[in-house]
Amino acid sequence: AQSVTQLGSHVSVSEGALVLLRCNYSSSVPPYLFWYVQYPNQGLQLLLKYTTGATLVKGINGFEAEFKKSETSFHLTKPSAHMSDAAEYFCAVSDLGANSKLTFGKGITLSVRP
Amino acid sequence: DAGITQSPRHKVTETGTPVTLRCHQTENHRYMYWYRQDPGHGLRLIHYSYGVKDTDKGEVSDGYSVSRSKTEDFLLTLESATSSQTSVYFCAISGAGGRYEQYFGPGTRLTVT
Repeated sequence: AQSVTQLGSHVSVSEGALVLLRCNYSSSVPPYLFWYVQYPNQGLQLLLKYTTGATLVKGINGFEAEFKKSETSFHLTKPSAHMSDAAEYFCAVSDLGANSKLTFGKGITLSVRP
Repeated sequence: DAGITQSPRHKVTETGTPVTLRCHQTENHRYMYWYRQDPGHGLRLIHYSYGVKDTDKGEVSDGYSVSRSKTEDFLLTLESATSSQTSVYFCAISGAGGRYEQYFGPGTRLTVT
């Protein structure tokens, strides 16, 4: 069975600082990996995904993530935080099956201080 | 934005009553999913559908049933609501499983008193 670990439930950064949100996965086969963002009182929105190919994936709003198979990690970064980045972020993993499903981490709340 | 609507958006109900939540899509996507979101648990899959009349259980399916009689609608029923089912429920759709992303609806906040 696959699983996702997002260490910590809350990260606080200053505006303009680096954002680093960690995600580690457990899967018996190379998985597909996703980061979603949820703004208050809204549904989830896809930030970026890794399926195959380039291990550095760029997403929306200046976010990117790097798939590191040796570390079973898919950490999310953004060079310079903006106030509008304050939200909850979820990492998710999917296996390769035809009817495969997403397994989500517990989520990390990002706060951005002025 | 993907065409996904959920109804109702908010509902308060009493313990023991049946409740049905509706997810409607206009994207003609094959896969539909129901999740619940609770603090400290992230999103957990309740049930999903991979075609009309084809459904399967997720990790937290006890106390829930689903039906999908047409491509665009996926219904989630709480047969006899309990306080532990107080949660925010999200519907999602996908064109295919695996590598394809899921698109989420706006959610339904359900309170069971």
